Amino acid sequence: QKEVEQNSGPLSVPEGAIASLNCTYSDRGSQSFFWYRQYSGKSPELIMSIYSNGDKEDGRFTAQLNKASQYVSLLIRDSQPSDSATYLCAVISGGYQKVTFGIGTKLQVIP
Amino acid sequence: DAGVIQSPRHEVTEMGQEVTLRCKPISGHNSLFWYRQTMMRGLELLIYFNNNVPIDDSGMPEDRFSAKMPNASFSTLKIQPSEPRDSAVYFCASRYGQLYEQYFGPGTRLTVT
Repeated sequence: QKEVEQNSGPLSVPEGAIASLNCTYSDRGSQSFFWYRQYSGKSPELIMSIYSNGDKEDGRFTAQLNKASQYVSLLIRDSQPSDSATYLCAVISGGYQKVTFGIGTKLQVIP
Repeated sequence: DAGVIQSPRHEVTEMGQEVTLRCKPISGHNSLFWYRQTMMRGLELLIYFNNNVPIDDSGMPEDRFSAKMPNASFSTLKIQPSEPRDSAVYFCASRYGQLYEQYFGPGTRLTVT
């Protein structure tokens, strides 16, 4: 079982719709959770961090964490073509606070 | 503030040659990470330093790979000898504190022919 799992996609949504990206993790003791956006040919860019159960909102982005079910999700409201990118889920766990990334979900926003 | 700095941005070399990638983390950050990214395997953690000490090098693929962090502001990743299968984008990232977010450099695109 992979430590951090994401559907690789592509996930296609029409412009203006809500995009929902999901991530599950295997280590129940995981402590910190992040979403990164990566445009083709660029480096990953942090867009959201979440540390406790519940929702965290930042502009059009909402991160949701459910530690009991071991999943973290990212909602993008009013999706724009500029949101088309690969979204990477990252989790910190273990005694060394190691960071593990998922494979990433490719999002396509269709104008 | 300057972000994570990597050099070179592109490297093309022949099989068997030594390759050295360089990274300068964000000032004040105490953890540094080296990653390799390919289409097939995604983003793989190679090695992780905390306070200049290697903490986890389980991702280093084989003895051809080595990494050093002689001080808080500089790290190198060396591949000797290089092979075509080492072709990938290599990212360096740094963070402050054990539980917080990382910031990535622009990456080095390595091509081994």
